[in-house]
Amino acid sequence: NAGVTQTPKFRVLKTGQSMTLLCAQDMNHEYMYWYRQDPGMGLRLIHYSVGEGTTAKGEVPDGYNVSRLKKQNFLLGLESAAPSQTSVYFCASSYSLASVHEQFFGPGTRLTVL
Amino acid sequence: AQSVTQLGSHVSVSEGALVLLRCNYSSSVPPYLFWYVQYPNQGLQLLLKYTSAATLVKGINGFEAEFKKSETSFHLTKPSAHMSDAAEYFCAVSSNTGNQFYFGTGTSLTVIP
Repeated sequence: NAGVTQTPKFRVLKTGQSMTLLCAQDMNHEYMYWYRQDPGMGLRLIHYSVGEGTTAKGEVPDGYNVSRLKKQNFLLGLESAAPSQTSVYFCASSYSLASVHEQFFGPGTRLTVL
Repeated sequence: AQSVTQLGSHVSVSEGALVLLRCNYSSSVPPYLFWYVQYPNQGLQLLLKYTSAATLVKGINGFEAEFKKSETSFHLTKPSAHMSDAAEYFCAVSSNTGNQFYFGTGTSLTVIP
């Protein structure tokens, strides 16, 4: 099993450009999450999904959109990138409630917005 | 909203010495608490979790943590540090619904040979 994979690993954008980050998991997990990691701030939840076709806002959702059209995939979109979105983005998945079942994390995507 | 506070963004210990990483939580009800480790250029992986079954929780790689309600703490310890323990450690608490996680700001552990 590949676990949780993220595409791409690195990306540089100019302000105003758009892009989509792809997260895929092969563990048949119901729950999927997108986090951003910034120095001195830990990880903050952007959006999450409790099942195919459902999404919900996390702690810092502004400027991002997500979609969960297939159970195994969770897409994070930036419609108009801003320098404040420069960060490392992590996707995670869990079998059900993250308080009960372990979250498995992907390797991360390092995004720089110029 | 729930939160966790990690005291000390950087901790250095000698190889073989005790590791103590501090975490205090803010919650009106007994929470679910977690410790994660992140090695350089990798994602996070679960070290251990507290879910009210036992106050002393044992995790992987010889780490353990004790839940102390009176002190609202969940400190992570390891009796003897190894070079391979050098990493970033995050304390986290889940929301009451269990759908959301709130991470601390992390503690970078350096192990000195």
